[in-house]
Amino acid sequence: GAGVSQSPSNKVTEKGKDVELRCDPISGHTALYWYRQSLGQGLEFLIYFQGNSAPDKSGLPSDRFSAERTGGSVSTLTIQRTQQEDSAVYLCASGINGGVSGDTQYFGPGTRLTVL
Amino acid sequence: AQSVSQHNHHVILSEAASLELGCNYSYGGTVNLFWYVQYPGQHLQLLLKYFSGDPLVKGIKGFEAEFIKSKFSFNLRKPSVQWSDTAEYFCAVNANDMRFGAGTRLTVKP
Repeated sequence: GAGVSQSPSNKVTEKGKDVELRCDPISGHTALYWYRQSLGQGLEFLIYFQGNSAPDKSGLPSDRFSAERTGGSVSTLTIQRTQQEDSAVYLCASGINGGVSGDTQYFGPGTRLTVL
Repeated sequence: AQSVSQHNHHVILSEAASLELGCNYSYGGTVNLFWYVQYPGQHLQLLLKYFSGDPLVKGIKGFEAEFIKSKFSFNLRKPSVQWSDTAEYFCAVNANDMRFGAGTRLTVKP
């Protein structure tokens, strides 16, 4: 079956521009996670959606970052006024049950963002 | 919030050598533990996981990990590595939410 998909696969933007990154989770998965992977760094948790509950935004690094999940499915991560330090691979993952139960996460291929 | 430490940043081994990658976490309550692997050019994928029961967990491709609660550790092991095990390995802990370690890059020389 189809896995988690992300688009675009690569995005190059100029400093100060806004970008939108998209994630299509596996159908039926109620949990959706966004992470950031910088060179030489681990996965930095950004935000977590579980069903219709309010998202856990505790990992968002600044108010330039926001995310939405429409209809409990597709999610969009928006970065406003991008900075060079935002350059990273942004990974999306989905899970069947969500974080509390120790859910296995299924990762997408990521979006490589480069801010010039 | 919990944190995860992977002490080895880059490990280089020859084929057939034994592997042990360290993972320690800080959280006093019940946790679920995972190892994920990212092969070159591929997605992150689950290697193995521990929820409860036998603290020695066996995963795919001959990997295993042992949960030692008293040491807050979940080290990954493989008795004999292959060139195809070259990848980046991430330990993760799920308590209130999911936290990943910084990853360990494993290079296996043929």
